[in-house]
Amino acid sequence: DIQMTQSPSFLSASVGDRVTINCKASQNINKYLNWYQQKLGEAPKRLIYNTNSLQTGIPSRFSGSGSGTDYTLTISSLQPEDVATYFCQQYNSWWTFGGGTKLELK
Amino acid sequence: QVQLKESGPGLVQPSQTLSLTCTVAGFSLTSYNVHWVRQPPGKGLEWMGVIWNTGGTRYNSALKSRLSISKDTSKSQVFLKMNSLQTEDTATYYCARDRAGPDYWGQGVMVTVSS
Repeated sequence: DIQMTQSPSFLSASVGDRVTINCKASQNINKYLNWYQQKLGEAPKRLIYNTNSLQTGIPSRFSGSGSGTDYTLTISSLQPEDVATYFCQQYNSWWTFGGGTKLELK
Repeated sequence: QVQLKESGPGLVQPSQTLSLTCTVAGFSLTSYNVHWVRQPPGKGLEWMGVIWNTGGTRYNSALKSRLSISKDTSKSQVFLKMNSLQTEDTATYYCARDRAGPDYWGQGVMVTVSS
């Protein structure tokens, strides 16, 4: 099974900050990597698919990059509504998920 | 509008069988695969299994002996059955549509295994 190691687990940042979240796969996942946002009590919402494609309706401050085993989600300018838990997910071989990053405002 | 909604009992006794239903709208089960994913309290997400648009299934090897996924295409429903439940199976259970990974998820249903 492919393991996904996500970091950091917890992140505190200020409005306007650039925020980055990382995911490392245990083997090459060929860019088959998605990023999700989950707010308390809500269903996960896909932000980015296939490493760097922005899901329709998602603000352009969200972006993704990476290849091979290393992937990054970037929020270019943090907004209050971005407070949530973020997680990565690989679909190169079935599905596995990162452990999540809880993002809060400083 | 694509929607998925899980339903089922909130409480199951140990050793009993869990039965959940995922009712979908806005797409056909003959065109998309649907997966089940669960999340124990305070822990990460675990993929459980998938039912293909063709009706075939594949399960997480750790759950394979206890898990069954089926569907009724005419009713737009996907079913999960898992037997021999233990306290470790306490989790929020989600169904999700597969389009380059999960694109739409249900809200989830919390299931507690307790006597």
